[in-house]
Amino acid sequence: AQSVTQPDIHITVSEGASLELRCNYSYGATPYLFWYVQSPGQGLQLLLKYFSGDTLVQGIKGFEAEFKRSQSSFNLRKPSVHWSDAAEYFCAVGARAAGNKLTFGGGTRVLVKP
Amino acid sequence: NAGVTQTPKFQVLKTGQSMTLQCAQDMNHEYMSWYRQDPGMGLRLIHYSVGAGITDQGEVPNGYNVSRSTTEDFPLRLLSAAPSQTSVYFCASTSTGPSGNTIYFGEGSWLTVV
Repeated sequence: AQSVTQPDIHITVSEGASLELRCNYSYGATPYLFWYVQSPGQGLQLLLKYFSGDTLVQGIKGFEAEFKRSQSSFNLRKPSVHWSDAAEYFCAVGARAAGNKLTFGGGTRVLVKP
Repeated sequence: NAGVTQTPKFQVLKTGQSMTLQCAQDMNHEYMSWYRQDPGMGLRLIHYSVGAGITDQGEVPNGYNVSRSTTEDFPLRLLSAAPSQTSVYFCASTSTGPSGNTIYFGEGSWLTVV
């Protein structure tokens, strides 16, 4: 069975500092990988996704993520955070043959200090 | 979130009551699914559908029914609400294509069972 682990429940970062959110997955084949962001009381917005090709994926809002097969990781990074990046972030893995079946990590809540 | 509409946004139920969460999409996607979100657990798949007339169980299907009579609609029914079903529910619709799948989420439905 596939699974996703986000080791950090909370992260606090100063505005302007860099951010890295960790994601480790367990899956028997090459997965689809996603990062979503959720602001309080809102739905989920797709930041970026990986299916194949270049292992460094660029997303919206200045985020990027790197797929490392050897480490089963898909960490999310942003060089300089803005106060508006305060939100909860979810990593998810999906099977290539199942278009809508995602397994999510527990989420990482990001707090941004002024 | 483009094209996925959920209603109601908020609902309070008494234990034992039944209700239906509505979900509609106007993107002509074959794949649709329902997730529930609970603190620290990310989103978990309840039921999914790969096309009109076809549904299947996800990770946490007990206490919920679904049907898919049209491509556009995918309602989720709670047969006899229990406090353990207090959660935030998200409907999703998936587009497929050469660059892989993109999953669109609705705004969410906040359900409290007392």
